[in-house]
Amino acid sequence: SAVISQKPSRDICQRGTSLTIQCQVDSQVTMMFWYRQQPGQSLTLIATANQGSEATYESGFVIDKFPISRPNLTFSTLTVSNMSPEDSSIYLCSVEKDTDSGANVLTFGAGSRLTVL
Amino acid sequence: AQSVTQLGSHVSVSEGALVLLRCNYSSSVPPYLFWYVQYPNQGLQLLLKYTTGATLVKGINGFEAEFKKSETSFHLTKPSAHMSDAAEYFCAVSPSGGYQKVTFGTGTKLQVIP
Repeated sequence: SAVISQKPSRDICQRGTSLTIQCQVDSQVTMMFWYRQQPGQSLTLIATANQGSEATYESGFVIDKFPISRPNLTFSTLTVSNMSPEDSSIYLCSVEKDTDSGANVLTFGAGSRLTVL
Repeated sequence: AQSVTQLGSHVSVSEGALVLLRCNYSSSVPPYLFWYVQYPNQGLQLLLKYTTGATLVKGINGFEAEFKKSETSFHLTKPSAHMSDAAEYFCAVSPSGGYQKVTFGTGTKLQVIP
């Protein structure tokens, strides 16, 4: 199964700044997913990143706030722009792990815990 | 449309006792169902999944779950809790048939008391 490395693992940021999270996978994958995990809430899909095309954003998330890059089949970045305290969260990168069963089984990175002051 | 409800954000059990974490789902089409576990400071990892076939599925670390269509449930159980089972558990659902978006529940934190 794929191994995902995310960095930074955690950061404390000032209001109004932007931070880019990197996600590196040890094998080539077609789709990469970015999730947000807020305390006491479910994981929420931010967007799906496909190599060679623009990311597909879920309702409530926009490219200006969460620009995503996907330059190749093993790497993606998520930027959280113009941060506010409400953006304090864990951001998770994931990839599809198992296509044999036909189900979208996901493998996750360890996450990037952002605190915005 | 699909959704997942996990009953109980926190569950405490004694070491050696039965673990039961509840999950109910709604889906407009036959679902695929998943349980993921998240240990502190780690990403989520798959415990088990139901796609088709046998409704009782076994996963890693002695966990199992039963798909009950009539009850729209997919509860997670383990006969005897171990201290190492302390973690957060997420139930998830996706529509069947190829790649589909996965919807997660809000999670249940399991505490194991020695």
